[in-house]
Amino acid sequence: QITLKESGPTLVKPTQTLTLTCTFSGFSLRTSGVGVGWIRQPPGKALQWLALIYWNDDKRYSPSLKSRLTITKDTSRNQVVLTLTNMDPVDTATYYCAHAPPPYSNYLFRWDYWGQGTLVTVSS
Amino acid sequence: QSVLTQPPSASGTPGQRVTISCSGSSSNIGSNTVNWYQQVPGTAPKLLIYRNNQRPSGVPDRFSGSKSGTSASLAISGLQSEDEADYHCATWDDSLKGPFWVFGGGTKLTVL
Repeated sequence: QITLKESGPTLVKPTQTLTLTCTFSGFSLRTSGVGVGWIRQPPGKALQWLALIYWNDDKRYSPSLKSRLTITKDTSRNQVVLTLTNMDPVDTATYYCAHAPPPYSNYLFRWDYWGQGTLVTVSS
Repeated sequence: QSVLTQPPSASGTPGQRVTISCSGSSSNIGSNTVNWYQQVPGTAPKLLIYRNNQRPSGVPDRFSGSKSGTSASLAISGLQSEDEADYHCATWDDSLKGPFWVFGGGTKLTVL
């Protein structure tokens, strides 16, 4: 049974760096083809993909946020960490992490399991 | 503004069939398969359709997906009250800057 859970601060100040951790179970990031990523959703708005990391350390980022994002994995702890620098009130959103199963293929890609999400508010 | 265009809202009565469209371009829908996600307000999205028309285990066959060229559609037949939710299409965009995942703006489905 695959589960994912996001953790991190619920409130950050403008210009600060946000660090979120996704702790998962039921799969391993050592398995060929597996990926874990982050998606966010501002209140009342659309889903926005942020980043993805694969078992082989292949990393993908949203072009619009690439300069501010870093995604890393700790395979032994079953965790994926996302950092987003220079936070702004427009970054207020629910942040989700999600699992991407094999194969290692954009054409056949899907997010099949999602965490419950964590609301991060940016305010001074 | 989303790369994939969906109508902001849709509606139907119980038992009806409704369709939700998702329009893209040759670099996204035209080149990759499409996923659909269902999101009940206040909860995480749930995978509804993948690879254009495949249903994960547990998704009723009332839900179906299709793709033609640079557009995709989600159809819900025998509409039920519990289908009231937001629906999001998504796929990869193979831009010159490198591939990135894109979502549509979402469609709020109301069951009248």
